[in-house]
Amino acid sequence: GQNIDQPTEMTATEGAIVQINCTYQTSGFNGLFWYQQHAGEAPTFLSYNVLDGLEEKGRFSSFLSRSKGYSYLLLKELQMKDSASYLCAVVDSNYQLIWGAGTKLIIKP
Amino acid sequence: GAVVSQHPSWVICKSGTSVKIECRSLDFQATTMFWYRQFPKQSLMLMATSNEGSKATYEQGVEKDKFLINHASLTLSTLTVTSAHPEDSSFYICSARSTNDNEQFFGPGTRLTVL
Repeated sequence: GQNIDQPTEMTATEGAIVQINCTYQTSGFNGLFWYQQHAGEAPTFLSYNVLDGLEEKGRFSSFLSRSKGYSYLLLKELQMKDSASYLCAVVDSNYQLIWGAGTKLIIKP
Repeated sequence: GAVVSQHPSWVICKSGTSVKIECRSLDFQATTMFWYRQFPKQSLMLMATSNEGSKATYEQGVEKDKFLINHASLTLSTLTVTSAHPEDSSFYICSARSTNDNEQFFGPGTRLTVL
């Protein structure tokens, strides 16, 4: 079966760094998305990785290792507004999205 | 865990035809389902919110007569793209919010190509 695993909840302190991991087992791989979703709002696009390595975009970076079936989202200089759910989604061989359950990130002052 | 399915996974149709996409919550009840459209490497654009037994609420700019939504039961919502045109080609994703705990679960998406 296809499976995406990410932690259910994480807590971090304002100004700190947090890494949200995502591991996947899917039938094929055509890329991995990270989305941010605030409660009651639509998910917003953060990153798309299809090749191994780290992609940095401002305070957010995303890493992919296809051989390990592993990705992480790194958030630096955390702000209170970063409190949200972070969704990992993999595009499989049929170009379908396989979604993780999301990681709820709580930022404390 | 909770599963949301969509059918079909992909569809190719001629311009002017109508296409129906189904979204089902397989092991939970969903009073509310959401329909999104995804453009490449962009955020999911919320098209409409459907509530079981009532009319859908459409986001600004989404034509309700073109994108017909029916949420006939607690486990099924359908999106019908009427008189589809090539510009409607996109990836349509639904999500369902569990009645029990308000968690939201996403479907695998439907790729629509209009020729």
